[in-house]
Amino acid sequence: GDSVTQMEGPVTLSEEAFLTINCTYTATGYPSLFWYVQYPGEGLQLLLKATKADDKGSNKGFEATYRKETTSFHLEKGSVQVSDSAVYFCALSAYGGYNKLIFGAGTRLAVHP
Amino acid sequence: KAGVTQTPRYLIKTRGQQVTLSCSPISGHRSVSWYQQTPGQGLQFLFEYFSETQRNKGNFPGRFSGRQFSNSRSEMNVSTLELGDSALYLCASSLGEIENQPQHFGDGTRLSIL
Repeated sequence: GDSVTQMEGPVTLSEEAFLTINCTYTATGYPSLFWYVQYPGEGLQLLLKATKADDKGSNKGFEATYRKETTSFHLEKGSVQVSDSAVYFCALSAYGGYNKLIFGAGTRLAVHP
Repeated sequence: KAGVTQTPRYLIKTRGQQVTLSCSPISGHRSVSWYQQTPGQGLQFLFEYFSETQRNKGNFPGRFSGRQFSNSRSEMNVSTLELGDSALYLCASSLGEIENQPQHFGDGTRLSIL
C-alpha cells in the first residue's frame, strides 16, 4: 500500500543553520505531496504542497521539490529560526483516494538560539 | 474567515462508554476528514465525508462511525470505548469538489480513556 517514510528525529539545530528533513514515499500513480507543521497543542498547518513531478512547493522560506525518479520530497530551509521549532509531517494524497492523507511519522525539530 | 472548529477540546471517559466529537468546517468547505493521532501509531485516517456521503474509510473497527449534516458540520462517534482509543482526534476540511486540495485542520479533541 501507499506509505511515507521520514527521517527520525529529533533534529536539533542552532539558529541560522541549514535544515533538511528527508521524506520518501511509495505510491501507485501520481500522488500529491504535502508538508504539514504541528506546533505544541495545535492541529496541523499546511506548510507547502506539490501536485506533480518537478513541482517545487515553497512557503515561509521552506522549500521541497517533488522528485519522481527518487520518490522523494525533502524539506529544506536555508536559515532556521527558534520559532521554526515544531513537528513536521510529510504526507501524500493518492489520486482516487479523495482527500485521504497518508502521513509519515513526523520529525521533531528543535532550534536553539 | 473562521478556521475549523472542534468541540470539545478535551474529554475524559471511562472504558465502555461512548463519545461524540464535533467538527465545524471552514465556511464553504464541503469535505470533512477525521484523523486519529497517537504517539505509537502516528496520524491515521478514519474517514472522509463530502455532501453528507462517506467517500472513503480507513482501517478502523466499526465502533468508529461518523456522519455529516447538510450544513457540512460533522460528528464522529466512538462506542464501547477502549483504553487504546485515547488519542488526539483531528478534523480537517477542504472545498472537496476536486481531489487533493489543501486540507485545513482544527486544533483537535484530546480524548482520554480511564
